[in-house]
Amino acid sequence: AQSVTQPDIHITVSEGASLELRCNYSYGATPYLFWYVQSPGQGLQLLLKYFSGDTLVQGIKGFEAEFKRSQSSFNLRKPSVHWSDAAEYFCAVAFTGGGNKLTFGTGTQLKVEL
Amino acid sequence: DGGITQSPKYLFRKEGQNVTLSCEQNLNHDAMYWYRQDPGQGLRLIYYSQIVNDFQKGDIAEGYSVSREKKESFPLTVTSAQKNPTAFYLCASKTTSGGDQETQYFGPGTRLLVL
Repeated sequence: AQSVTQPDIHITVSEGASLELRCNYSYGATPYLFWYVQSPGQGLQLLLKYFSGDTLVQGIKGFEAEFKRSQSSFNLRKPSVHWSDAAEYFCAVAFTGGGNKLTFGTGTQLKVEL
Repeated sequence: DGGITQSPKYLFRKEGQNVTLSCEQNLNHDAMYWYRQDPGQGLRLIYYSQIVNDFQKGDIAEGYSVSREKKESFPLTVTSAQKNPTAFYLCASKTTSGGDQETQYFGPGTRLLVL
């Protein structure tokens, strides 16, 4: 069965520092890849997605992610973190023929130190 | 504004009681989903529906029921058979045509607590 791994449960960065959140998936075919962000007590907001084409995708709020097929990874990056970026981040994957289902990672909680 | 609404924001359930969570969307999406979120476990799929009057079980359907009588609405009932219902419940929807068929959009969620 397909799975999504976010190896970092918690990450703390200083405001202004760069950020990279890791995401790995297991499946043979090329998946559809997503990053969502969730503030406490809120729903999930789509940051960015990758379906095909250029492997570096740009999203909202200055985030970007790079799809690396050889590493089965889709890491999220931001050059300079703002205090308002503190939230929980979820990587998710959909597969063709997967019954329209999304498989989520367990999330990475980001803390930003001022 | 188009979007997904969930109500209530907070819901309290007594032992042995069934409760229903509302999810409404005005995005003209065909497919709708219910997820359960517990700390440290990500989101797990409860039920989904790709068309009116049809729905499928997800990974953790036991103790839950749904209906899809209208395209805009996909209510979730948490039955008394669900022994650990305390969680954050998220509804999502997506189109099934065009170039964005794989992207799910989420509502603000309902937190269910047991009294």
